[in-house]
Amino acid sequence: LAKTTQPISMDSYEGQEVNITCSHNNIATNDYITWYQQFPSQGPRFIIQGYKTKVTNEVASLFIPADRKSSTLSLPRVSLSDTAVYYCLASSSGSARQLTFGSGTQLTVLP
Amino acid sequence: DVKVTQSSRYLVKRTGEKVFLECVQDMDHENMFWYRQDPGLGLRLIYFSYDVKMKEKGDIPEGYSVSREKKERFSLILESASTNQTSMYLCASSLRTSGSSDTQYFGPGTRLTVL
Repeated sequence: LAKTTQPISMDSYEGQEVNITCSHNNIATNDYITWYQQFPSQGPRFIIQGYKTKVTNEVASLFIPADRKSSTLSLPRVSLSDTAVYYCLASSSGSARQLTFGSGTQLTVLP
Repeated sequence: DVKVTQSSRYLVKRTGEKVFLECVQDMDHENMFWYRQDPGLGLRLIYFSYDVKMKEKGDIPEGYSVSREKKERFSLILESASTNQTSMYLCASSLRTSGSSDTQYFGPGTRLTVL
């Protein structure tokens, strides 16, 4: 079971780049890393997914080193609306049994 | 856009009552999931289903059961509600893919209070 570990909370200021790291020491060979964002009173929503190296989309980048024991979600130039809980998940297709979200990281963006 | 709806946003029940939480998705997804979310514990998987009438236990199935009679609907049942089942319940669905991890789409959640 791929357990993930994240910091409980982080603070940042508007306009800064934020990096949230997730540790997953026992990730399986066919596991992907997925990040979700959750606002209060809403369900989590997908942000980005990757397997190795770097993935970028319109909202974030995901860096996964060669050993795949950790990953870093990078949010460029955060705004107040990025204040949310961010979850890292290691899982593979068809392995719903292995889904463990963990406690997530509360990101607070300050003005 | 995938839409996952849950029957209630807020629910208050009494200890010992039988509780039904309903979830419907409109994107013909094979997989459906029920989680509970508690402060400091993140999301914990209760049950999931990968096809109609098929179900598997997640990490914390005790005290819960599920039903999936139709592909679009997945119900969570608390046979005899207890106060320690007071929580936020989240339903999700995903399309089974190959070569990557399935992206889950979540409903808005049901906040259940058991008195």
